[in-house]
Parts: sequence; structure tokens; C-alpha cells
Amino acid sequence: AQSVTQLGSHVSVSEGALVLLRCNYSSSVPPYLFWYVQYPNQGLQLLLKYTTGATLVKGINGFEAEFKKSETSFHLTKPSAHMSDAAEYFCAVSDGRNFNKFYFGSGTKLNVKP
Amino acid sequence: GAVVSQHPSRVICKSGTSVKIECRSLDFQATTMFWYRQFPKQSLMLMATSNEGSKATYEQGVEKDKFLINHASLTLSTLTVTSAHPEDSSFYICSARGAPPYYEQYFGPGTRLTVT
Repeated sequence: AQSVTQLGSHVSVSEGALVLLRCNYSSSVPPYLFWYVQYPNQGLQLLLKYTTGATLVKGINGFEAEFKKSETSFHLTKPSAHMSDAAEYFCAVSDGRNFNKFYFGSGTKLNVKP
Repeated sequence: GAVVSQHPSRVICKSGTSVKIECRSLDFQATTMFWYRQFPKQSLMLMATSNEGSKATYEQGVEKDKFLINHASLTLSTLTVTSAHPEDSSFYICSARGAPPYYEQYFGPGTRLTVT
């Protein structure tokens, strides 16, 4: 079975600082990994995804994530935070055989201080 | 591309009535649609998966007679909350996925249901 752990329900950074949101997963098969962002009272928007190939994936809005199999991690980073990045971020995993099942982490709320 | 809409965005209904929420994929054909429920400050809980023209597959613990799902076409799925009660108040989000190899799910903006 798959599961996702997001360390830190709240992360606060200053504008311009590095953003690091942590995601660890467990999966019995090669995982497909996703990061989504949710703004208040809105649905989820796909930031980036890893399926196969290059382990460093780049997404929208300057975000990127690196799949590290040995660490079972898929941390999300952005070099310089912007006020508009303040939102909730969800990591999700699905297995390569059953794309219907997305397992979401509990979410990390990012606060960006001016 | 890959836009999913939901209607209504907010709905308030009285206890005992039924409410229908629509989910549409606007620019692609969604072979599979998903319905999630999100409680305040919590993650998404998958309620059911529906494939066009087939009966929905419900997750364990989700009452299929209470949450009726119809995936009538490749662009439309509906969720009907029957005989709603205050505990059904929640944020309902749908998502849609095209045919493989499209693995990601595209999410609608959500519907806030309040049952009084």
C-alpha cells in the first residue's frame, strides 16, 4: 500500500528565502509522485509530477522537486519565495498499476512573511 | 488546457433535502472522474471513482445510497447528496483524468456544501 507523510503542517519563510516542503512516501511498487497547491476555497492545481526518467522535475511558478528513491522522498523546493506562494501544498503518490488511487499527504501550509 | 469546472461553488440546503453537484471537464474527455471530500484543515479523502458509462466504485465507508454518482458522458459527472444532514456539510472536490498515459488528475474548484 502507498502512503505519504508531509513533515510540518505549517512552514513559514521570509519573502526571497528558500522554500523547502518535505514529502516522504512508502510504496511497494515504483511510485508516481505529484505536488499540488491549493489556494483558499479552491481546488488543487498541479505543480509538478514525477513518473519516470529524470529525477529532478521542474514545475510551474519556479518550483521543482527531486525524486530520491534511496530516501523515499520527493521534497518540493523553490529558491526564492514570493508572497503569492502562500497556500497549502499537498504531496500525492499513486502506483504505476492503479492510477485511480491517489494517496494524499496531510498538507503543508506555507506562510510567506514580507 | 485541462480545465475542470464545478457547479455550484457554494450551496446551502435544509436538512433532509437533496443536492446535486456537477463536475465538467471543459477541454478534454475524462474517462475517469473522482470525487473527494475535504474537511477543514485536512487532506482530501477519496469518496468514489467513476468511469463513463459504468457504476461508480465507492471507497470503504462511503454510503453509496447517500452519495449518488452518475458519470453520464465523457465530460460530465454528478454527485447527488441525498437526504442531506448537517454532518454532510463539507468541501467537495471533483477531479478528472483522461485516458492513459495521462496520469495526473485535474481538479475542479470545489463546492462548499452547508446543510442547515
